Amino acid sequence: NAGVTQTPKFRILKIGQSMTLQCAQDMNHNYMYWYRQDPGMGLKLIYYSVGAGITDKGEVPNGYNVSRSTTEDFPLRLELAAPSQTSVYFCASSYSRQGIYEQYFGPGTRLTVT
Amino acid sequence: EDKVVQSPLSLVVHEGDTVTLNCSYEVTNFRSLLWYKQEKKAPTFLFMLTSSGIEKKSGRLSSILDKKELFSILNITATQTGDSAVYLCVNYGGSQGNLIFGKGTKLSVKP
Repeated sequence: NAGVTQTPKFRILKIGQSMTLQCAQDMNHNYMYWYRQDPGMGLKLIYYSVGAGITDKGEVPNGYNVSRSTTEDFPLRLELAAPSQTSVYFCASSYSRQGIYEQYFGPGTRLTVT
Repeated sequence: EDKVVQSPLSLVVHEGDTVTLNCSYEVTNFRSLLWYKQEKKAPTFLFMLTSSGIEKKSGRLSSILDKKELFSILNITATQTGDSAVYLCVNYGGSQGNLIFGKGTKLSVKP
């Protein structure tokens, strides 16, 4: 199993550009999550999905969009990138949210907006 | 507001020392408390605690939860330079039933 994979690893965007951060998992997990981690801070939830076709906002959704057309993939879209979106983005997945299951994290995408 | 507070925020010790990392929380609908170790990349899972007073151990690491006083500790004995990392305390619960992360404790172990 590859686990949770993310691409790209690094990206520099100019203000106003758009991009999609890719996330895929091969563990057949229903639940997937996107977090951002700012320097010296804990992770904050951007969006999550409980299954294909179902997504919901987390703590900091503004400026982002997601889709979940398959169980495996959960891309995060940034429209009109802003310097405040400079961060490290982690995708994660878990078997279930209602139970007590650990989350598996991808390696992260470091994004800089200048 | 749900919150997870870790202390200290950073800690420098020498190899062989024993350290205790603290985590206090105020979380609605508490389900579990998790500890993650984060080196340069993604957090890796250490422990999940759901019951008070039951110590979880893995090698030199151990952790315990006190649900009455709303805190947990992570102990590392005989520290090694490879233990240098940020240790994240995470609560599984809250109004949305998701993970609530503390800011982390940055541990530096000097040779």
